[in-house]
Amino acid sequence: EAGVTQFPSHSVIEKGQTVTLRCDPISGHDNLYWYRRVMGKEIKFLLHFVKESKQDESGMPNNRFLAERTGGTYSTLKVQPAELEDSGVYFCASGRDPREQYFGPGTRLTVT
Amino acid sequence: AQSVTQPDIHITVSEGASLELRCNYSYGATPYLFWYVQSPGQGLQLLLKYFSGDTLVQGIKGFEAEFKRSQSSFNLRKPSVHWSDAAEYFCAVGGRKYSGGGADGLTFGKGTHLIIQP
Repeated sequence: EAGVTQFPSHSVIEKGQTVTLRCDPISGHDNLYWYRRVMGKEIKFLLHFVKESKQDESGMPNNRFLAERTGGTYSTLKVQPAELEDSGVYFCASGRDPREQYFGPGTRLTVT
Repeated sequence: AQSVTQPDIHITVSEGASLELRCNYSYGATPYLFWYVQSPGQGLQLLLKYFSGDTLVQGIKGFEAEFKRSQSSFNLRKPSVHWSDAAEYFCAVGGRKYSGGGADGLTFGKGTHLIIQP
């Protein structure tokens, strides 16, 4: 069984630009989560999808972040416009059971 | 609000020695508890989890953890570490937020870097 995949593995953009991160969950997993780790800080929850519906987006930092999960399969996280403080590693996780979350390798975002 | 404290940022252990990584949590009820490991260039791998029942939990790679309600702790242990155990370890807590008992978003500690000396 393939694991959670994320694309790209690394993205470098300038402040003010737009970046879209993609996550492909494990097949059959209805639950999909986004997390972020800013350098030196702990991993923080951003939001949770159940199929295509946002179950909880309490961790989204502001309205520059937009997450979608069309058709309940893969998900995208768009940052527009990017700011310097958005730099960090963005993790995606999925699970069949909400109590089990399998993480992807992460996307390292650098905003210059 | 729930929180997780991993008091040790770095721990250095000799290969073959025993290991204990500390984790304390703050939560109003019995939470779901997890330990994840991240090796360089890899994603987070689930080592073990506790939901209920036996408070001593066995995981992968020879790790175990013990839930102690009275101390609000969930420390990770391994009797003999191998050089391949060098990684960053994260303790996490999930709340029983929904009627279905789902953990929803996890709250993580800041992580502990494990360094193995030959």
